[in-house]
Amino acid sequence: AQSVSQHNHHVILSEAASLELGCNYSYGGTVNLFWYVQYPGQHLQLLLKYFSGDPLVKGIKGFEAEFIKSKFSFNLRKPSVQWSDTAEYFCAVNAPGRRALTFGSGTRLQVQP
Amino acid sequence: DADVTQTPRNRITKTGKRIMLECSQTKGHDRMYWYRQDPGLGLRLIYYSFDVKDINKGEISDGYSVSRQAQAKFSLSLESAIPNQTALYFCATSDPGSEQPQHFGDGTRLSIL
Repeated sequence: AQSVSQHNHHVILSEAASLELGCNYSYGGTVNLFWYVQYPGQHLQLLLKYFSGDPLVKGIKGFEAEFIKSKFSFNLRKPSVQWSDTAEYFCAVNAPGRRALTFGSGTRLQVQP
Repeated sequence: DADVTQTPRNRITKTGKRIMLECSQTKGHDRMYWYRQDPGLGLRLIYYSFDVKDINKGEISDGYSVSRQAQAKFSLSLESAIPNQTALYFCATSDPGSEQPQHFGDGTRLSIL
């Protein structure tokens, strides 16, 4: 069965620190990959997505993610976080032939001023 | 105005009651989804619909049913609510040709006593 793992459940950083959130999936075929963000009290928003091509994907708000096929990973990065990045971040995977996404359990990021 | 509107925003009810959560969208999208969010579990897909005549079960459809009354409306029902259905429920739509939810409602917080 396809699964998505986010091993960091809660991350606390100071402003200007660099961020990397891990995401691994278990599906062994061609996949589409996504990161979503949920700010406190708000609904989910799509941060970025990878379908094919350049494995380094740039999204909104200075976020990027790198697809490493050999590691089944799609880690989210940001060089310098801000207090406003405090949110919960969800990785999601969609395999061809599956008509909907599988989400990871989420990583709560807390950025301290 | 929100593109994806969920009603009610909050609901507290008793075990055994029938509950309907409603979702309407003004984006003209064919594809709509219902997810539930639980702490530590991320989002899990309950049902999805790729057009008015297309209804599909997701990962956790047991205990739930849906109705796609029109392109713009997709309702989720709990026929006989039980406490472990207490969760935050999200409706979402996706752009034409996309199988990934991109536009989320603000959520319905449901508590079953």
